[in-house]
Amino acid sequence: DSGVTQTPKHLITATGQRVTLRCSPRSGDLSVYWYQQSLDQGLQFLIHYYNGEERAKGNILERFSAQQFPDLHSELNLSSLELGDSALYFCASSVQGSGANVLTFGAGSRLTVL
Amino acid sequence: QQQVKQSPQSLIVQKGGISIINCAYENTAFDYFPWYQQFPGKGPALLIAIRPDVSEKKEGRFTISFNKSAKQFSLHIMDSQPGDSATYFCAASNGNQFYFGTGTSLTVIP
Repeated sequence: DSGVTQTPKHLITATGQRVTLRCSPRSGDLSVYWYQQSLDQGLQFLIHYYNGEERAKGNILERFSAQQFPDLHSELNLSSLELGDSALYFCASSVQGSGANVLTFGAGSRLTVL
Repeated sequence: QQQVKQSPQSLIVQKGGISIINCAYENTAFDYFPWYQQFPGKGPALLIAIRPDVSEKKEGRFTISFNKSAKQFSLHIMDSQPGDSATYFCAASNGNQFYFGTGTSLTVIP
């Protein structure tokens, strides 16, 4: 157990729907990163939050949004889902917001869009 | 646009052999280069990392070689073992963003 908790583990939904993925970082970690993992694209960086503030954005679609709450947990919202959004979504946390961070990953949330 | 290019996509090595995975980057703002190991059903976990001010870092059987001028770095796994069979990701970071390669699936044959 890495200490990073992601829910749900698996999610099956239909095109056009909206889902929310949740991440609780490791105790003491202030940073949360979201990644999308697909077979052909590897780990794609989506967004980084540090202590409630957005620090960096990667290849995150406009249909996707995220936030980090005062208790430091984070949610990734995916809307108007398309078949191509099917992937494994990872959350990672770290102590710092910059520098040589060690990212601790959760076990991932597998999203299947039918 | 892939910020970090990784090769090969898959690798099969005999037990006791050397596994070599290569990565290349373009952005000179990157200043931290970790390698992550991922087993099926698990999230990636940090294996070893290097800063660009050193050319090599060794931890046990794992070594990172770094060539700053060529903007390339590689992971060498010495005396590869079946337990090393996993997917390996290189990454590059400027502190706020971590960009990962596409991964290398390593299979070590007993």
